Amino acid sequence: ETGVTQTPRHLVMGMTNKKSLKCEQHLGHNAMYWYKQSAKKPLELMFVYSLEERVENNSVPSRFSPECPNSSHLFLHLHTLQPEDSALYLCASSQDLGQTNEKLFFGSGTQLSVL
Amino acid sequence: GEDVEQSLFLSVREGDSSVINCTYTDSSSTYLYWYKQEPGAGLQLLTYIFSNMDMKQDQRLTVLLNKKDKHLSLRIADTQTGDSAIYFCAEKSGGYNKLIFGAGTRLAVHP
Repeated sequence: ETGVTQTPRHLVMGMTNKKSLKCEQHLGHNAMYWYKQSAKKPLELMFVYSLEERVENNSVPSRFSPECPNSSHLFLHLHTLQPEDSALYLCASSQDLGQTNEKLFFGSGTQLSVL
Repeated sequence: GEDVEQSLFLSVREGDSSVINCTYTDSSSTYLYWYKQEPGAGLQLLTYIFSNMDMKQDQRLTVLLNKKDKHLSLRIADTQTGDSAIYFCAEKSGGYNKLIFGAGTRLAVHP
């Protein structure tokens, strides 16, 4: 148990659906991240939030919309996805941004399949 | 540009040592990390090394860093079946906490 919980664990959706991924951390961390892990590419950083403010949007298409209502919760809203968006979406948190040695704590991920 | 490379597969016999290798490109990286991902789980920090160190040992794990060649390795002594997982090398690059991950090395341990 890493202290970072993601739901759902698995999600199958059609290209016209709208769904949301949820992440919750119980570690008192101030920074949260979304990563995409697929068979074709290593871990890709998608979004970074620090104290509920987005600090990086790594050229992610607008069909992915993050939301961070407080420092413990992070959402990824999905709409009109493409089959190539099928991947494992991992949430992570760390104590703060900008620390010299900052350790990431990952959730177990949401395995997304887009039909 | 930033890039981290690893071999994709490694197969070892139970009880032998495993050595997983990684090369990186950013010479200014301050910390380098090894993460482990077991089936159906997220990544878990295994160990890390500061860039001014050559070696770090933590129980069965030994990390070696050759900064000149930008080469990092993870040695697992007395490899067990529970060590079967994907191992990711990562370097801390750029501002805040941007980690650049390799593609991961899948370690298979057989009897």
